[in-house]
Amino acid sequence: DSGVTQTPKHLITATGQRVTLRCSPRSGDLSVYWYQQSLDQGLQFLIQYYNGEERAKGNILERFSAQQFPDLHSELNLSSLELGDSALYFCASSVGGRGLGNYGYTFGSGTRLTVV
Amino acid sequence: QKEVEQDPGPLSVPEGAIVSLNCTYSNSAFQYFMWYRQYSRKGPELLMYTYSSGNKEDGRFTAQVDKSSKYISLFIRDSQPSDSATYLCAMSVNAGGTSYGKLTFGQGTILTVHP
Repeated sequence: DSGVTQTPKHLITATGQRVTLRCSPRSGDLSVYWYQQSLDQGLQFLIQYYNGEERAKGNILERFSAQQFPDLHSELNLSSLELGDSALYFCASSVGGRGLGNYGYTFGSGTRLTVV
Repeated sequence: QKEVEQDPGPLSVPEGAIVSLNCTYSNSAFQYFMWYRQYSRKGPELLMYTYSSGNKEDGRFTAQVDKSSKYISLFIRDSQPSDSATYLCAMSVNAGGTSYGKLTFGQGTILTVHP
């Protein structure tokens, strides 16, 4: 157990629907990162929050949004889902805002989203 | 063209072999270089971290960075079946702004070490 908790582990939903993925960071970590992993694109950075504030943004679609709450857990909201959104969604956390050094990121086990 | 290129393999080696994994990159702003290991149905875990150029050794693992060639490598000595996993290189720039905490990953190389 990495200490980063993601729920649910699996999610199957229909096109056009909206889902929420939840992440609880490791105790003491202030930064939360969201990544999407697909077979053709690999691991793609979506967004980072640090202590409740958005800190960095990747190629996150406008249909996707995220937030980090005062207790530091984060939610990734995916709406108007398309077949191409099917992927593994990982949350990671780090103590500082950069996720660098010998501690790096700590990843959760991911949420596997299947859009049918 | 992707910022980070990594041969997806798959790579299959016998137990005890020396494994060489590598990535090339195009963004000269990358300063931090990492290798992650990902087992099936798990999240990636950090194996090695290097800042700028040079070598770093940790047990059976050696990471090398050649910034002049924009090339990084991971060597695994005395490979074991338990090393069978996907190995991902990752890089980060030394800058703030919208890329603050972002890691750019390679596609990952699937490695199988057979007994």
